[in-house]
Amino acid sequence: DTEVTQTPKHLVMGMTNKKSLKCEQHMGHRAMYWYKQKAKKPPELMFVYSYEKLSINESVPSRFSPECPNSSLLNLHLHALQPEDSALYLCASSPLYRGDYGYTFGSGTRLTVV
Amino acid sequence: GQQVMQIPQYQHVQEGEDFTTYCNSSTTLSNIQWYKQRPGGHPVFLIQLVKSGEVKKQKRLTFQFGEAKKNSSLHITATQTTDVGTYFCAGLTGGGNKLTFGTGTQLKVEL
Repeated sequence: DTEVTQTPKHLVMGMTNKKSLKCEQHMGHRAMYWYKQKAKKPPELMFVYSYEKLSINESVPSRFSPECPNSSLLNLHLHALQPEDSALYLCASSPLYRGDYGYTFGSGTRLTVV
Repeated sequence: GQQVMQIPQYQHVQEGEDFTTYCNSSTTLSNIQWYKQRPGGHPVFLIQLVKSGEVKKQKRLTFQFGEAKKNSSLHITATQTTDVGTYFCAGLTGGGNKLTFGTGTQLKVEL
């Protein structure tokens, strides 16, 4: 299995809703990432998990809450989002949190906040 | 902070023409990675360059890492419609593990 699986693929949520994005990989990778990508822009790093521990939080607002229940799963809990949070949310993984490994990205969750 | 710029931002070519995108960093990079993102898709890892002056080829794609390790290029020979997408470089600064993505070059190929 060489894939990163993200669910759901599309999500529409209101500003008062609570929702979660899910990411799963079975490649034995020990580093997992959340990225946010706006249209026609590069991916922006949000969070890094290394060995199931949060290593980097790129000053992301608290309405985004990551969770890594085990080495294969990564969640992103969403609460009280704003319309400007609408974007493609990408999960990625790599064997280790070292910059000399290429990242495997999931197909993303396209989020619309109304 | 580190900035990685790519030029051009957009490129339209006729099928069969060559294409080059350039990646420039404000700081010296430990390595450079290249990704391709098809329209509506997700980034896919293409290659990594580590050594100063390194050149790598993948079929019609040629990747170069500058001697000063602050710039890189991707050249596609005889483009095909399957090459359509946005090409991102991503650089790693020495001593850190965080990849910084370049601004991207969107390639359109017309028949």
